[in-house]
Amino acid sequence: GENVEQHPSTLSVQEGDSAVIKCTYSDSASNYFPWYKQELGKRPQLIIDIRSNVGEKKDQRIAVTLNKTAKHFSLHITETQPEDSAVYFCAASSQGGSEKLVFGKGMKLTVNP
Amino acid sequence: ETGVTQTPRHLVMGMTNKKSLKCEQHLGHNAMYWYKQSAKKPLELMFVYNFKEQTENNSVPSRFSPECPNSSHLFLHLHTLQPEDSALYLCASSPATALSGNTIYFGEGSWLTVV
Repeated sequence: GENVEQHPSTLSVQEGDSAVIKCTYSDSASNYFPWYKQELGKRPQLIIDIRSNVGEKKDQRIAVTLNKTAKHFSLHITETQPEDSAVYFCAASSQGGSEKLVFGKGMKLTVNP
Repeated sequence: ETGVTQTPRHLVMGMTNKKSLKCEQHLGHNAMYWYKQSAKKPLELMFVYNFKEQTENNSVPSRFSPECPNSSHLFLHLHTLQPEDSALYLCASSPATALSGNTIYFGEGSWLTVV
């Protein structure tokens, strides 16, 4: 089955800096890669996703890149703000049907003012 | 705000108690999920239901018993739990169609403490 590894497990940056979170996956059949943000005491929420037919997707200050050959994908956050502080989860799955999402272990991002 | 609602939000139960967690989704989705979130395993899939049929049981102990009477409702029945079962239990739903993919939407979670 799919195995998703996420690193680093924690990251601390200064406000305004960029942050990068990296994930690798094992199943070459996986073709859907969402990222979730979980603020303290709240539910995980989808912030961006990418499908395997594209290599990069951007939404304002966040972007995700996918390298299918190397089986890794990354989340990039630019101009970080204190409200970006949260735990970020990557996930991978095959699209369609009821195939399950497999999540990484999460990365705690702290943005210091 | 969320289309997935869970009750109760907080539950404290003894090891001999029987209780249930309830989840309802208002998104017209076909699949529903139970996840367990703890410090050891941040997002651990427990059960998947697709069109009311259980399609995944991720080696969950029998003291957790799911029930899905229809595509909008999901229950997790709890009995003779152990203190290590204390965690946040997240319900989620997804369209689960070939076009919509597997984007899942989480509820706010039920904080369970077993004493």
